[in-house]
Amino acid sequence: DVQLVESGGGLVRPGGSLRLSCVASGFTFNTYWMSWIRQAPGKGLEWVANIKEDGSEIYYVDSVKGRFTVSRDNAKNSVSLEMNSVRVEDTAVYYCARVASFWSGYYRLWGQGTLVIVSS
Amino acid sequence: DIQMTQSPSSLSASVGDRVTITCQASHDVNNYLNWYQQKPGKAPKLLIYDASNLETGVPSRFSGSGSGTHFTLTINGLQPEDFATFYCQQYDELPWTFGQGTKVEIK
Repeated sequence: DVQLVESGGGLVRPGGSLRLSCVASGFTFNTYWMSWIRQAPGKGLEWVANIKEDGSEIYYVDSVKGRFTVSRDNAKNSVSLEMNSVRVEDTAVYYCARVASFWSGYYRLWGQGTLVIVSS
Repeated sequence: DIQMTQSPSSLSASVGDRVTITCQASHDVNNYLNWYQQKPGKAPKLLIYDASNLETGVPSRFSGSGSGTHFTLTINGLQPEDFATFYCQQYDELPWTFGQGTKVEIK
């Protein structure tokens, strides 16, 4: 099956760290840009980051720059989101999603999401 | 950043109704505009890409139109399974941004 499966969510204290992972299957992972997108409880969708097929280009939304780091391991068909210095406002369901291509920025494939709760 | 404003934020409609949701961009997005449907507890699902292209497998009652800064998602003949929240998304420039969502509820 073509799918994305996220893991790593949980409860973390403000200022703490958490690492999310997303494992892909059923398609040629190293030919796609990947994104992280989040959704705060009861709120809308927010694009967080993009990473190029080979990891050589990465883009972030301003609110996470310097705190979050995206990486990928094409040998393991996985993409990760390292979250440092987390804030209460980072509380959200985090989705990884496959970008159609960098010039076609729509998402045909999403993971099921993993919930991150930042609270003391 | 390009701001995406959807209207209305919510609406009540009956099965069989025609529903129209609009998305206004703060800058021209060159038709790089997509529409998604999200049901509670689920990931979003792509309906329309590049303003007017129906995604494979999506029923033809869904259609998208518009250009530049003004876009529309239309559902012709609302079905029970269509009650959900709908989002527009632009990818003309980073950061890619979404509208705040339109919740379609049963009247």
